[in-house]
Amino acid sequence: ELKVEQNPLFLSMQEGKNYTIYCNYSTTSDRLYWYRQDPGKSLESLFVLLSNGAVKQEGRLMASLDTKARLSTLHITAAVHDLSATYFCAVGKDSNYQLIWGAGTKLIIKP
Amino acid sequence: DADVTQTPRNRITKTGKRIMLECSQTKGHDRMYWYRQDPGLGLQLIYYSFDVKDINKGEISDGYSVSRQAQAKFSLSLESAIPNQTALYFCATSDSGLAGADTQYFGPGTRLTVL
Repeated sequence: ELKVEQNPLFLSMQEGKNYTIYCNYSTTSDRLYWYRQDPGKSLESLFVLLSNGAVKQEGRLMASLDTKARLSTLHITAAVHDLSATYFCAVGKDSNYQLIWGAGTKLIIKP
Repeated sequence: DADVTQTPRNRITKTGKRIMLECSQTKGHDRMYWYRQDPGLGLQLIYYSFDVKDINKGEISDGYSVSRQAQAKFSLSLESAIPNQTALYFCATSDSGLAGADTQYFGPGTRLTVL
């Protein structure tokens, strides 16, 4: 059974600092997604990672995938308040394109 | 206009009532999904549909049913609502044609409260 674990589940940090969110999954998968959710809002796609060693970056966010370690990271560089949100990773379960979701990391960035 | 719309956005109902949540999309995607989100948890898949004639159960389908009326419309029904179905419900779509990516795009959500 595919399980997805994120850590930390809650992170409070100061603006300007760097930090990393981790997403571990329990069985082989060929797809990993990162999403952002603002309070009371829908989910917005950030990145899709499809191969070992894949790295994608947009602004202050960078995501990477290590399929051998079954680990993805979402790195935040020089955090700003606007990045405060809950970040979810989701892993492809099988060829039927079901996704199994992590519990989310609530990120609060203080000015 | 939003690409994925859900109606209603908020609904309060009583135990035992039948409820239908509707989802429409203008993205032209063939795949559609229904999820529920509970506070502090990730999303759980209720049902998914790869086309009008292909509907599949997800992780938590008990107590729910769906109908894919057209490629653009996917409805979720709670036949007899119970309080533990109180949650935020999301519809999502994806395009099987984008080789391997299959990114899901979400509607704004429906907040359902069952008293």
